[in-house]
Amino acid sequence: QKEVEQNSGPLSVPEGAIASLNCTYSDRGSQSFFWYRQYSGKSPELIMSIYSNGDKEDGRFTAQLNKASQYVSLLIRDSQPSDSATYLCAGPTGGGADGLTFGKGTHLIIQP
Amino acid sequence: EADIYQTPRYLVIGTGKKITLECSQTMGHDKMYWYQQDPGMELHLIHYSYGVNSTEKGDLSSESTVSRIRTEHFPLTLESARPSHTSQYLCASSESADTGELFFGEGSRLTVL
Repeated sequence: QKEVEQNSGPLSVPEGAIASLNCTYSDRGSQSFFWYRQYSGKSPELIMSIYSNGDKEDGRFTAQLNKASQYVSLLIRDSQPSDSATYLCAGPTGGGADGLTFGKGTHLIIQP
Repeated sequence: EADIYQTPRYLVIGTGKKITLECSQTMGHDKMYWYQQDPGMELHLIHYSYGVNSTEKGDLSSESTVSRIRTEHFPLTLESARPSHTSQYLCASSESADTGELFFGEGSRLTVL
C-alpha cells in the first residue's frame, strides 16, 4: 500500500511570509507528484504538478521534488489570507490501479 | 470551472435504504473516479472507470457499486445504507491520469441515521 504522509498542522504563517508545506512518500518508483488545495467545505483543486527532481515555479507557488529523499514540498511566497486552506499532496496510486493516492493534508492558516 | 456535477449535495437517510449518488461530466473525459473523504482525513479511492463498461475497485474496500453505461455518467449505489457509510463522496474525472489533474465535483455529503 503506497503511502503519502503530511503533517496535518495547523500551520500558522503571518501574512506576507513564506509558507512551507512538506510531504513524504513511500514508493520510490513514483515519478510525479501533485499539490491540491481544498477550501473548507469545498472540493480539491489542482494547483501544482511536478515530474522531475528540482524546483518548479508558478507565480507565488514553488514545488520541490527530491526523489532520492522521497520528499516533496510546496512553498507559497507572499502568503495571503486567501491561501488559508488544506493542502493535499498526491501521487499516482500505481500498481495497476488508476487515480491518485492523497495525503491527509496540511491545514494552513495565514494570519492577517 | 470544471463541468462535473454531483447530486444530491446533501442526503440524510435511514438505515437499510437504497441510495444512488449521481455524477455527470460534460468534458468528454474517459476516466472517472469516486473518492470517499471523512472530515480531516485523506481522500480514499473507492471506484474508478477507464471508460464505458469499465469499472474497477479502488484502494478502500467499499460496499458500494458503480456503473458506466455512458461516458458522461458514473453513478454510485449503496443497496442498503448503514451508519458506517456516513461520509463525503467526491466524484472526479480526468482526461489523463498521467497529468494528475482530476476535476472534482462539489461532493455528496451522506448521513445515515
